[in-house]
Amino acid sequence: AQSVAQPEDQVNVAEGNPLTVKCTYSVSGNPYLFWYVQYPNRGLQFLLKYITGDNLVKGSYGFEAEFNKSQTSFHLKKPSALVSDSALYFCAVGKTGANNLFFGTGTRLTVIP
Amino acid sequence: NAGVTQTPKFRVLKTGQSMTLLCAQDMNHEYMYWYRQDPGMGLRLIHYSVGEGTTAKGEVPDGYNVSRLKKQNFLLGLESAAPSQTSVYFCASSWGTGSGDIQYFGAGTRLSVL
Repeated sequence: AQSVAQPEDQVNVAEGNPLTVKCTYSVSGNPYLFWYVQYPNRGLQFLLKYITGDNLVKGSYGFEAEFNKSQTSFHLKKPSALVSDSALYFCAVGKTGANNLFFGTGTRLTVIP
Repeated sequence: NAGVTQTPKFRVLKTGQSMTLLCAQDMNHEYMYWYRQDPGMGLRLIHYSVGEGTTAKGEVPDGYNVSRLKKQNFLLGLESAAPSQTSVYFCASSWGTGSGDIQYFGAGTRLSVL
């Protein structure tokens, strides 16, 4: 079975500081890992994904994530937070041969001016 | 470029009423999905389709039916709405298997069942 855990419901960070949104996963076999962002009253938007290759993945809007197989983690990071980064962030996991993704419960990021 | 369009955006139903949510995509995607989003529970897959004329159950299919008569459209039906179906519903589509491909989401339908 596949599952995703986002241990923090809420993350607050000051503008200009680095941010991290945590995600751990459980899946048999090699994982496909995604981050999506949701702005108020909008659908989810793709940020980045890891399928294979380099463990550090770069995505949209300056975000990046590092795949750590030994810790089964895929934390989202950004060196310098912007107020406009405030949103709800979802981690998701899939795997080879599956037809769908499993989403975490989401982490609300608030960047304080 | 519309992407994924959901109609309606809002709806209020009484218990026992029926309704259909429409999802349309203009990207020629094979895969389409219906999710529900509830506070503290993230997104849960209701049903999905891997191509025209096909449908399959997701995590939480009970109380819902779907149809994919045309490649670009994926309909979600509630035959007899219950208060537990109050939620925000999202449709998504992808080129290939949703497990490895990027999913593109609609803006959502907010449904209240009284």
